[in-house]
Amino acid sequence: SQQGEEDPQALSIQEGENATMNCSYKTSINNLQWYRQNSGRGLVHLILIRSNEREKHSGRLRVTLDTSKKSSSLLITASRAADTASYFCATGEGGFKTIFGAGTRLFVKA
Amino acid sequence: DGGITQSPKYLFRKEGQNVTLSCEQNLNHDAMYWYRQDPGQGLRLIYYSQIVNDFQKGDIAEGYSVSREKKESFPLTVTSAQKNPTAFYLCASSPGRGVSTDTQYFGPGTRLTVL
Repeated sequence: SQQGEEDPQALSIQEGENATMNCSYKTSINNLQWYRQNSGRGLVHLILIRSNEREKHSGRLRVTLDTSKKSSSLLITASRAADTASYFCATGEGGFKTIFGAGTRLFVKA
Repeated sequence: DGGITQSPKYLFRKEGQNVTLSCEQNLNHDAMYWYRQDPGQGLRLIYYSQIVNDFQKGDIAEGYSVSREKKESFPLTVTSAQKNPTAFYLCASSPGRGVSTDTQYFGPGTRLTVL
């Protein structure tokens, strides 16, 4: 079964608005990563947050992690049309396996 | 897509045929992975390899086979035993021996369609 589940499944916003995506997971994790996938392309790593971190920033991206609620959020500020893509969270349980969620499809209207 | 390439980009296969998808990386990464992605879904792990001449089954290995004879290459064969092979296939690599804390670097994908 999927470890990470993103919410919402799809999100449509205007350029300049902020976009927030959430990820919930079931078991204890070592880290949580967010990836982006443009249509028909491979995934690109955005940011990794470790289980002992609560918040991390990278440019217009802000990721939070709440291990007590087993959830994470990805905030994209001042969105651009080029941010249109699917966003996946991926959780590392320890050892080898990384599990990807089903993704949030973001559409930013110009 | 960095230093990891997949070919071909599109592949059409007749039922009953085996096909091989290529994955090459020049990142000097030890670990390599194959994932399958179906429309609107996440990635499911088919096979992974932590080191040359070694590989392990993932969650959906049935009907697939791999080899890892060289560090830079990890080809995937979709056999006729795979009942529903039409999907988007993604190859990835990571610098460590495949620990889940590693960032994975993905190729551009191969879209396989069974006619």
